Amino acid sequence: KNEVEQSPQNLTAQEGEFITINCSYSVGISALHWLQQHPGGGIVSLFMLSSGKKKHGRLIATINIQEKHSSLHITASHPRDSAVYICAALNTGNQFYFGTGTSLTVIP
Amino acid sequence: NAGVMQNPRHLVRRRGQEARLRCSPMKGHSHVYWYRQLPEEGLKFMVYLQKENIIDESGMPKERFSAEFPKEGPSILRIQQVVRGDSAAYFCASSPQQGTGNTIYFGEGSWLTVV
Repeated sequence: KNEVEQSPQNLTAQEGEFITINCSYSVGISALHWLQQHPGGGIVSLFMLSSGKKKHGRLIATINIQEKHSSLHITASHPRDSAVYICAALNTGNQFYFGTGTSLTVIP
Repeated sequence: NAGVMQNPRHLVRRRGQEARLRCSPMKGHSHVYWYRQLPEEGLKFMVYLQKENIIDESGMPKERFSAEFPKEGPSILRIQQVVRGDSAAYFCASSPQQGTGNTIYFGEGSWLTVV
């Protein structure tokens, strides 16, 4: 069993839809990151969370430490949001455990 | 405003050759991490380094792979006698210091193809 589980693996949405990607982890963490990877491109850290909720534009990330669960929400999705979204749990030794990623396609 | 710089972005090597991947962390960052992303798989931790020290290399294959982060210059991930299974994207990341509350910045990745 992976230390970090993400769902769904693949997601197709119509432009404008509200999107949720879920992440559950089993390790003790100091922080949780949501990463975005575009096809053939690099990786960008969207959020770093250790508690509560953060919002950046149309993106919202939440974390429940007790339940070891985090969600990434995208409001009013747009085709340019199409990417792979990766949940990454950072333990206290500065080692990341990565989810396998959610491949999102937003159709115009 | 240079971020984490990796080069080369793409590298082709024949089986048995050596591959050297370089990573220059963001200015002021003294912690470097290397990750590997095999085709159709997720990212996997390889090694965590500070200047002149390897802190955690638990994700490094036991043979042929080595990493360094010298006092001066970039961090180097070295793969000797490459095999087809080494074909992957190698990502470097850096952070300013250890501990909570520090975000991490990723490079654009280096794509190694072994032919």
